[in-house]
Amino acid sequence: AQSVAQPEDQVNVAEGNPLTVKCTYSVSGNPYLFWYVQYPNRGLQFLLKYITGDNLVKGSYGFEAEFNKSQTSFHLKKPSALVSDSALYFCAVTLVGGYNKLIFGAGTRLAVHP
Amino acid sequence: KAGVTQTPRYLIKTRGQQVTLSCSPISGHRSVSWYQQTPGQGLQFLFEYFSETQRNKGNFPGRFSGRQFSNSRSEMNVSTLELGDSALYLCASSPREGNTEAFFGQGTRLTVV
Repeated sequence: AQSVAQPEDQVNVAEGNPLTVKCTYSVSGNPYLFWYVQYPNRGLQFLLKYITGDNLVKGSYGFEAEFNKSQTSFHLKKPSALVSDSALYFCAVTLVGGYNKLIFGAGTRLAVHP
Repeated sequence: KAGVTQTPRYLIKTRGQQVTLSCSPISGHRSVSWYQQTPGQGLQFLFEYFSETQRNKGNFPGRFSGRQFSNSRSEMNVSTLELGDSALYLCASSPREGNTEAFFGQGTRLTVV
């Protein structure tokens, strides 16, 4: 079965420090990978995507993600965290032939402390 | 461009009733997907429509149904509501036919009592 795993329920980081939110996937074929962020009482906002090409993908708000095919991972990173980055982050995948159906991970709550 | 609009934002229904949720996608987007978000199950895919055709359906009972109109607006219907249907229902539209980013509405919070 196709699946996405986010092994950490919560990540805590101090403002100004780098942050990493982890994601691994298990799919057959080449995946299309996405990161979304959800603020309280809001829908999801698209951050970035990997389709093909460079393994390091840059996205919105200073976020980037590194695709590692051998480790089947797509970790979200930011060099310097802001308190306003505190939110719920979801990793997701679509599959070839799956149209726009997103398979989501369980989500990771990021808490950035002043 | 206006974003994805979902109505209503909040709903309270009684067990056994039915409910219809509405979604207006971003102008020009023909792909519309629906998701259910709950604390226990996370984000689960319900169905996807493209040009009025259902292309994908998630693992939900037949009480959950949807449709898409010629202007790409979509509705989803849940009949015979159960307490477990209480959730945030999210609609998303996408600019291309597949494997592209989705733009989400703010959701409809459904509470079944």
